[in-house]
Amino acid sequence: GAGVSQSPRYKVAKRGQDVALRCDPISGHVSLFWYQQALGQGPEFLTYFQNEAQLDKSGLPSDRFFAERPEGSVSTLKIQRTQQEDSAVYLCASSLGRLGVTTYEQYFGPGTRLTVT
Amino acid sequence: KNQVEQSPQSLIILEGKNCTLQCNYTVSPFSNLRWYKQDTGRGPVSLTIMTFSENTKSNGRYTATLDADTKQSSLHITASQLSDSASYICVVSVISGGADGLTFGKGTHLIIQP
Repeated sequence: GAGVSQSPRYKVAKRGQDVALRCDPISGHVSLFWYQQALGQGPEFLTYFQNEAQLDKSGLPSDRFFAERPEGSVSTLKIQRTQQEDSAVYLCASSLGRLGVTTYEQYFGPGTRLTVT
Repeated sequence: KNQVEQSPQSLIILEGKNCTLQCNYTVSPFSNLRWYKQDTGRGPVSLTIMTFSENTKSNGRYTATLDADTKQSSLHITASQLSDSASYICVVSVISGGADGLTFGKGTHLIIQP
């Protein structure tokens, strides 16, 4: 595809359920980022992959959050035992560059809106 | 702590009018500043990116300015259209280039009325 895609677009989970959010980055993009965007807020960094390596996971809010990118392309963000405070839009972005990643353009997907009831 | 403050939080203007959105930041060491447009239910889309040495950059009806001395940026929208209704997010990055080196503002929610 021409851009970053994410699925599902909307997810409703009952508190305590596990969820998995998928991101398909732009083909050939080395870097992949996950962000969490609460209502009315800007995106907050969660984690970063360079190819299949997870180089930074400092933004993950708890050990219930887990991300992987096993083959260096598609990535999955998993949230275990979801809580109401996990309700947010989860954005994925990919970038062509690697080191000095913040100088490269990031292309964002449409996001997955997670609602935990 | 690195911060990016945007104002106003929300703005309503009539179609065809101009407007200016503000972004103040305390991020350092500064690398670049970007303005993104985020339509409802969509991911952010880049409008402009400016480095330390650039003080103005245009993209169609969008013109961004940067004063790295006062750490202020503005996004000016000329002859607004209904499709300009969106959130506009200012993003500042640090020279270290770490993955968490992007600081996002909360955005200005712009509504264009016919």
